[in-house]
Amino acid sequence: EVQLVESGGGSVQPGGSLRLSCVASGFTFTNYWMTWIRLAPGKGLEWVANIKEDGTERHYVDSVKGRFTISRDNAENSVYLQMNSLRVEDTAVYFCARHRYASHWGQGALVTVSS
Amino acid sequence: EVVMTQSPLSLAVTLGQPASISCKSSQSLVHRGGNTYLNWFQQRPGQSPRRLIYQVSNRDSGVPDRFTGSGSGTDFTLKISRVEAEDIGVYYCMQGTIWPPITFGQGTRLEIK
Repeated sequence: EVQLVESGGGSVQPGGSLRLSCVASGFTFTNYWMTWIRLAPGKGLEWVANIKEDGTERHYVDSVKGRFTISRDNAENSVYLQMNSLRVEDTAVYFCARHRYASHWGQGALVTVSS
Repeated sequence: EVVMTQSPLSLAVTLGQPASISCKSSQSLVHRGGNTYLNWFQQRPGQSPRRLIYQVSNRDSGVPDRFTGSGSGTDFTLKISRVEAEDIGVYYCMQGTIWPPITFGQGTRLEIK
């Protein structure tokens, strides 16, 4: 069974940093792109970033470029999202998903940016 | 950026009746390789999103056959043949043909009348 478990969410002030982690199991991690998607309060789903199987390609939505970094550790079956210079508008539940087209999702990690 | 436009944004349906959600893209979603990367997701209240349909019309494992995806080019539809109580939630289309960025529709909220 495919499982994705996020951690690392929390509350932070504007300008602060957080690092989200997602541990994958139940499939061959090195065969899949991995994706982060967020859901802000009262809004719809927004694709945030993805990373290729070997980590050689990374892509971001414009609003997080230069502030967020996606990475992965294939030995640990994990994908990460380092979030710096956080803004109030980054407040959302962040989901880790398998594949570019999000075939499976984690339970989400809540990130709250507020002063 | 490909803009995905869903309609309606809210839908109230009687149990057992059909429902239909439209998704239109600002550009053709036919990839040069021939596939069309249009997916549908369901988010039930309090749950993570779940993919229902990939590449326009392929149901994911465990998805009831009352869910059907169709369309081509820029116009796509998700149909539920007979709405059940467990179908309430928000439905999103997502395109993965022209990216980055991968883009979602605004979401359509389905409720029971």
